[in-house]
Amino acid sequence: SAVISQKPSRDICQRGTSLTIQCQVDSQVTMMFWYRQQPGQSLTLIATANQGSEATYESGFVIDKFPISRPNLTFSTLTVSNMSPEDSSIYLCSVEGRGTESYEQYFGPGTRLTVT
Amino acid sequence: AQSVTQLDSQVPVFEEAPVELRCNYSSSVSVYLFWYVQYPNQGLQLLLKYLSGSTLVESINGFEAEFNKSQTSFHLRKPSVHISDTAEYFCAVIPSSGGYQKVTFGTGTKLQVIP
Repeated sequence: SAVISQKPSRDICQRGTSLTIQCQVDSQVTMMFWYRQQPGQSLTLIATANQGSEATYESGFVIDKFPISRPNLTFSTLTVSNMSPEDSSIYLCSVEGRGTESYEQYFGPGTRLTVT
Repeated sequence: AQSVTQLDSQVPVFEEAPVELRCNYSSSVSVYLFWYVQYPNQGLQLLLKYLSGSTLVESINGFEAEFNKSQTSFHLRKPSVHISDTAEYFCAVIPSSGGYQKVTFGTGTKLQVIP
């Protein structure tokens, strides 16, 4: 299993500003994932962050809007840039299990973002 | 590509009554199936999974799900719900081929247990 923490847990931001979300894992992992969770919609993968390389973004998400850092094997940040009300959502960090827990996803508690 | 359909966005049920949360999937390849639960103000956590073997899988808190390949379904059931089961439940699939594969989630079903 993996224990994941995220900061901040929630924030209210003004449009046009940026927010950086931190994700910390209690063990070293190769890949970290960033998801967006909007009400009534499925979790949407934003990008996959590998240590030592550029993040891989899913269709509809770009690095200028959601820059990601992955400085080591236990930490990652996601920045939501130039925010608009449409960015109001829950942002989740996750990692994959290993060994017998392969294919399982472990999630952080999420960051609830409201943009006014 | 895979898709997951959870037709019921909300399911209200009285305490101690049975419940079924429906999940259907579409995939051109074999998949592994999962149910995740999200309690209020928390992240998702794995409830149960089907990888292979017996098509009926159980969780430690009394939920069970049955993989039905012919109907491409993985419905979640519990014979008697408790107030503490109030949460949102997400069905998910991932291709069973080797290497990293992206997880596809359903839109979630909110289970509201009424006292």
